[in-house]
Amino acid sequence: DSGVTQTPKHLITATGQRVTLRCSPRSGDLSVYWYQQSLDQGLQFLIQYYNGEERAKGNILERFSAQQFPDLHSELNLSSLELGDSALYFCASNPGTADSGNTIYFGEGSWLTVV
Amino acid sequence: GESVGLHLPTLSVQEGDNSIINCAYSNSASDYFIWYKQESGKGPQFIIDIRSNMDKRQGQRVTVLLNKTVKHLSLQIAATQPGDSAVYFCAENDNGYSTLTFGKGTMLLVSP
Repeated sequence: DSGVTQTPKHLITATGQRVTLRCSPRSGDLSVYWYQQSLDQGLQFLIQYYNGEERAKGNILERFSAQQFPDLHSELNLSSLELGDSALYFCASNPGTADSGNTIYFGEGSWLTVV
Repeated sequence: GESVGLHLPTLSVQEGDNSIINCAYSNSASDYFIWYKQESGKGPQFIIDIRSNMDKRQGQRVTVLLNKTVKHLSLQIAATQPGDSAVYFCAENDNGYSTLTFGKGTMLLVSP
């Protein structure tokens, strides 16, 4: 158990809908990362937050957005869903400070199926 | 559990054999590398890391080798066990903010 908690574990929704995935980082971690894992694209970095502020952006679609709240939990919002958005969405966290190292710790993921 | 990749390179070994999983990285500016293990239906789990000022690092039953000249990373698992069956990812970091870039992964299958 990495200490990173993600909900829901599984979600099935229809095209065009909007969903919110939730992540609680490890205790004490200030940085949260979101990754998408699909069968054909592997693990793709979406976005990183540090202490409530966006720090880095990867291959995140405009239909997707994220935020990190004062209690450090994060949400990933996926809207106007398409079939191709079906994937595993992982949250990861680490302390985010320069002396804390670069390793990130993953949650168990949220499996999204768009039908 | 869900499959994370239908077209991954696959390494099949017998229990007790040593396994070597290879990874080629593309960014010569990368200075930190990590190996993760992902079991079916679970999130990636940290195994071992290495910085670019080293060429070898050992852990418990695992060794990572880094060849910066040819931008190659390998993970050696000694006395492979059925519980080692998983997908293994290498990841690299080049910007100091822990934005890891992951490789495609290799599936390791260990037969009893």
